[in-house]
Amino acid sequence: GNSVTQMEGPVTLSEEAFLTINCTYTATGYPSLFWYVQYPGEGLQLLLKATKADDKGSNKGFEATYRKETTSFHLEKGSVQVSDSAVYFCALRLDYKLSFGAGTTVTVRA
Amino acid sequence: GAGVSQSPSNKVTEKGKDVELRCDPISGHTALYWYRQSLGQGLEFLIYFQGNSAPDKSGLPSDRFSAERTGGSVSTLTIQRTQQEDSAVYLCASSWGGQAYGYTFGSGTRLTVV
Repeated sequence: GNSVTQMEGPVTLSEEAFLTINCTYTATGYPSLFWYVQYPGEGLQLLLKATKADDKGSNKGFEATYRKETTSFHLEKGSVQVSDSAVYFCALRLDYKLSFGAGTTVTVRA
Repeated sequence: GAGVSQSPSNKVTEKGKDVELRCDPISGHTALYWYRQSLGQGLEFLIYFQGNSAPDKSGLPSDRFSAERTGGSVSTLTIQRTQQEDSAVYLCASSWGGQAYGYTFGSGTRLTVV
């Protein structure tokens, strides 16, 4: 079946630190890959996406590259801010269905 | 509309009562989805609509759960004889049909069964 595994949290960082959240996937076909973010008290928002191998998705200083050879889509940000505190979900879409990882809670301290 | 709208935003109900949750997707989005988000369970797929039909309802947890969509637009998720384990945030999402597109989620309905 199709599944997504992402690093367990919680992750606590200081402001301006480098953030990496690992995400790997298993899929029976060739999926599109997504990162969603859920800020406290809010709904899920699409953060970035990549639809084919070696594509890089980017938004708000976050980046992730679709690596087919390692079936990975790791999320990175070079300098986090307090406002980046949220839950981050990696997801894959095959055909109509979006499958999510368990989510990683990130807290950034001032 | 501009986004996916869900109502009510919060619902507290007594165990054994029926509840209806409503979702109004983005105009023109043919695909509509319901997910459930609960502590420790992550995001759980419930049902997928394409137009008014539901080709995948494999995630509905029991026959107490049902959903319909009318006019290729509004969807209602109904939970009959609610149980405490039904307490969760129910999320609706809509999308264009293609795999390259993500879903747009609503803000969810927080259901509490007491």
